[in-house]
Amino acid sequence: QKEVEQNSGPLSVPEGAIASLNCTYSDRGSQSFFWYRQYSGKSPELIMFIYSNGDKEDGRFTAQLNKASQYVSLLIRDSQPSDSATYLCAVNGDFNKFYFGSGTKLNVKP
Amino acid sequence: DAGVTQSPTHLIKTRGQHVTLRCSPISGHKSVSWYQQVLGQGPQFIFQYYEKEERGRGNFPDRFSARQFPNYSSELNVNALLLGDSALYLCASSLAGYEQYFGPGTRLTVT
Repeated sequence: QKEVEQNSGPLSVPEGAIASLNCTYSDRGSQSFFWYRQYSGKSPELIMFIYSNGDKEDGRFTAQLNKASQYVSLLIRDSQPSDSATYLCAVNGDFNKFYFGSGTKLNVKP
Repeated sequence: DAGVTQSPTHLIKTRGQHVTLRCSPISGHKSVSWYQQVLGQGPQFIFQYYEKEERGRGNFPDRFSARQFPNYSSELNVNALLLGDSALYLCASSLAGYEQYFGPGTRLTVT
């Protein structure tokens, strides 16, 4: 079992719609959760982090954390073609290790 | 402010050779982490250093080593290169190890 699981996609949404990206993790002791955006040929860019159960909003982005279900999600409202990228979920684990999922590819169609 | 810088940008090495990759963190950041990313996968954690001490190590062989200098820059060394070491090597900088900001990466090709 992988430490962090994501659906590889692609997830296709029309411009202006809400994109919902999901991630599950295996280590119940994880305390820190991150979402990165990676454009093709570029390095990952940190877009959200969340440490407590519930929702955290930043502009068009909302991160949701449910530690009981070991589930993290990212909502992108009013999706734009420029949001088309691979979204990586990352989780901290024991002994200061960090685990990334394989990413979900998002396509926003004009 | 300058972001994370890495050098070189690209590198081609032969099997069995040694390679050194370099990283300078964001000014004020004291932690540097190293990751390996192969095409189609997420980054895989190699090391984390904080205040010049190793604070975390991923599941990589002993051929991989790293260090952090007093100015918080860091080097990743890989010995006895294998074809499977071909990847994008990413350095990430953070204040204390959590919110990590990536550099542009070094693309290593082993032939």
